[in-house]
Amino acid sequence: NAGVTQTPKFQVLKTGQSMTLQCAQDMNHEYMSWYRQDPGMGLRLIHYSVGAGITDQGEVPNGYNVSRSTTEDFPLRLLSAAPSQTSVYFCASSYWQGDTEAFFGQGTRLTVV
Amino acid sequence: SQQGEEDPQALSIQEGENATMNCSYKTSINNLQWYRQNSGRGLVHLILIRSNEREKHSGRLRVTLDTSKKSSSLLITASRAADTASYFCATGANDMRFGAGTRLTVKP
Repeated sequence: NAGVTQTPKFQVLKTGQSMTLQCAQDMNHEYMSWYRQDPGMGLRLIHYSVGAGITDQGEVPNGYNVSRSTTEDFPLRLLSAAPSQTSVYFCASSYWQGDTEAFFGQGTRLTVV
Repeated sequence: SQQGEEDPQALSIQEGENATMNCSYKTSINNLQWYRQNSGRGLVHLILIRSNEREKHSGRLRVTLDTSKKSSSLLITASRAADTASYFCATGANDMRFGAGTRLTVKP
């Protein structure tokens, strides 16, 4: 049972480039979400999804795009990378958000130069 | 803004001592969760306490919840060096929010 898998683990982008961070879960969870964590800070919610075809914005959605075509996958797209998006990104999933434990991936460390 | 706020920001204790971390939140909740994060890793769920519960135990962990004060505490008893990590509280349903965390260091 792999749980929540994020790829890549590390990425360096140039300003203005776009890329997709991948997140996949094999637990048949309805709820998935993306967070970013900056040094010494907690996690801030970027986008979340309560099921296939349904997404919504979190606390810091600007500059990011998501879609949820399957239950298993929830990719996060950076449209035009900026240095302010340098961060560690975590994907999480749960059966039902807020009422059961969330399972987190190991993170993607992104640097935008 | 973040929903939960942990206190203290950092805590350093000796192995064998107890560690207490506090969390305050702003709005009414259905439940509150605590997570641990080892350096550079993803978060791991520790315990969930529902709004109608006042105290909950799991191994060496004890969590209390005071909905009238909008606060929760996490107590780790007989701490070990392996407990060194950051601890976060989280509240919310679809938009679960985390505090900035308490960084706990347990010295051997």
